[in-house]
Amino acid sequence: NAGVTQTPKFQVLKTGQSMTLQCAQDMNHEYMSWYRQDPGMGLRLIHYSVGAGITDQGEVPNGYNVSRSTTEDFPLRLLSAAPSQTSVYFCASRRGRDYGYTFGSGTRLTVV
Amino acid sequence: RKEVEQDPGPFNVPEGATVAFNCTYSNSASQSFFWYRQDCRKEPKLLMSVYSSGNEDGRFTAQLNRASQYISLLIRDSKLSDSATYLCVVILTGANNLFFGTGTRLTVIP
Repeated sequence: NAGVTQTPKFQVLKTGQSMTLQCAQDMNHEYMSWYRQDPGMGLRLIHYSVGAGITDQGEVPNGYNVSRSTTEDFPLRLLSAAPSQTSVYFCASRRGRDYGYTFGSGTRLTVV
Repeated sequence: RKEVEQDPGPFNVPEGATVAFNCTYSNSASQSFFWYRQDCRKEPKLLMSVYSSGNEDGRFTAQLNRASQYISLLIRDSKLSDSATYLCVVILTGANNLFFGTGTRLTVIP
């Protein structure tokens, strides 16, 4: 199993550009989430999904959109990149409510 | 108040030492608990779940104290390879998401 696959691994954007971070899992997990991790702040939840067609906001959703058209894919869209969005982004999936997450290897995003 | 709080450390211990981390949680409705390990510039990886009766996996022991609302992780006979940041994670009853602590950094020194 590949687990959770994130692309790209690294990205540099200019302020105002948009882009999509891709996330795919092959474990048939219902729950998927996007986190960002910044020094000293731990993992902060951006958006999450409990199944195809169902998404909800997390702690820091502003500036990001998500959709979940299939069980496997959960892309994260940055609408208009800002330097404050410079971070490491992790996608994660889990089997159900009482299970822990499996994380992707992360995307390091720099906005200049 | 944060849902989950951890001492950020750092903990610097010699090889072979025993080290323990605690993590407190604020919501008594918390029902599932985990410890994750995160190496520098890597993703968090599940280390172990924490069960009510306590559980052990090799040199690692996890315990839950519901009365005092904390979980602990004990590492015996520390190895250099144990150097990492350890994150505690809590799931609330009926909640759709997990709450992560900010992590405790451990460095094992030769």
